[in-house]
Amino acid sequence: QVKLQQSGAELVKPGASVKLSCKTSGYTFSTSYMSWFKQIPGQSIEWIGMIYAGDGGTGYNQKFKGKATLTVDTSSSTAYMDLSSLTTEDSAVYFCARRGYNFDYWGQGVMVTVSS
Amino acid sequence: DVVLTQTPVSLSVTLGDQASISCRSSQSLEYSDGYTYLEWYLQKPGQSPQLLIYEVSNRFSGVPDRFIGSGSGTDFTLKISRVEPEDLGVYYCFQATHDPLTFGSGTKLEIK
Repeated sequence: QVKLQQSGAELVKPGASVKLSCKTSGYTFSTSYMSWFKQIPGQSIEWIGMIYAGDGGTGYNQKFKGKATLTVDTSSSTAYMDLSSLTTEDSAVYFCARRGYNFDYWGQGVMVTVSS
Repeated sequence: DVVLTQTPVSLSVTLGDQASISCRSSQSLEYSDGYTYLEWYLQKPGQSPQLLIYEVSNRFSGVPDRFIGSGSGTDFTLKISRVEPEDLGVYYCFQATHDPLTFGSGTKLEIK
């Protein structure tokens, strides 16, 4: 069955970077699309961007350009998101989700806390 | 950016009753290919969102037929008939027609 397993919670200092992972199984990763999302607890969800695993092509929400960088490793069927120059406003839960005709499978989410 | 306005913000429903959620878009969600990429997701407490409806009215695999999506253009509705305890959570409409992709602000369904 399809699974998206995200890495564990992160506590990072302001100004630092963090790399989140989303390891997939149960489908052909190399010809799929993956998106990432941000959700501050108690608030709605924001779309960060999407990557096509076939060629690494990306599309970003303008709001997150310069903040998030999406990459993939097809050899391990894993998607990554780098978040840079972190501030307290980046503290949130981040989800990955596979895009077919819709977002049918999601990772469990990972909490990123930015604090000194 | 496309703004999706959901009403009501919260909804308290008796088990077995019907619930209805509205989602109004600031722009038409019909894409140039003729499809309308309006989806509905349910986020249960402490969980990831789960897909309910795609392309306005298509139920995702395993979603009970109690969930019915309808609408066109800029106005969409999700109806839940015979509400059950497992239906509680926050419902989001979502559009994938325009860049950037956007979610509505959510409707919290509570059971009376």
